[in-house]
Amino acid sequence: KNEVEQSPQNLTAQEGEFITINCSYSVGISALHWLQQHPGGGIVSLFMLSSGKKKHGRLIATINIQEKHSSLHITASHPRDSAVYICAVGGLTTDKLIFGTGTRLQVFP
Amino acid sequence: DAGVIQSPRHEVTEMGQEVTLRCKPISGHDYLFWYRQTMMRGLELLIYFNNNVPIDDSGMPEDRFSAKMPNASFSTLKIQPSEPRDSAVYFCASSLLAGETDTQYFGPGTRLTVL
Repeated sequence: KNEVEQSPQNLTAQEGEFITINCSYSVGISALHWLQQHPGGGIVSLFMLSSGKKKHGRLIATINIQEKHSSLHITASHPRDSAVYICAVGGLTTDKLIFGTGTRLQVFP
Repeated sequence: DAGVIQSPRHEVTEMGQEVTLRCKPISGHDYLFWYRQTMMRGLELLIYFNNNVPIDDSGMPEDRFSAKMPNASFSTLKIQPSEPRDSAVYFCASSLLAGETDTQYFGPGTRLTVL
């Protein structure tokens, strides 16, 4: 079993829909990261959080440390949100990030 | 700042050849990470440096891979000899503080194809 699991693996949506991507992890963490990888391949860090909720524009990330679970929400989705969204966690005793396998999102007009 | 700079962006080589990938981190960042991304395995950490010193190279696949960071503004990842299974996108990332508690900034990646 992977230490970081994401669901779903693939997701399609119509423009305007509310989207949720989930991430569960099995290790103790110091922080959880959400990354976005566009079709061109570039990787951008969206959020880093260790508790509660963060919001940036139409993106919201939440984390529940007790349940070892995080969600990334996209409100009013747009075709430009089409990308692979990757969850990564930083362990308590290491500087390394452990990555999920990513969720491929396609938003159609 | 120009962000993390990687070169080359694309590399096509033949099996057995030496390949050198280069990375310039964001100025002032103390941590530098080398990652490999494949369809099968996703993103994997190969090695990371703190203040130019290699801290953890447990992700380096085998002795054919080596990485150096001679100064704070430059790092190389070398594969010698290269094999077709090394074909992947190699990312370099840097962060100001420890990787797990600070945002990592990724370079554009080097797409390596070994024929």
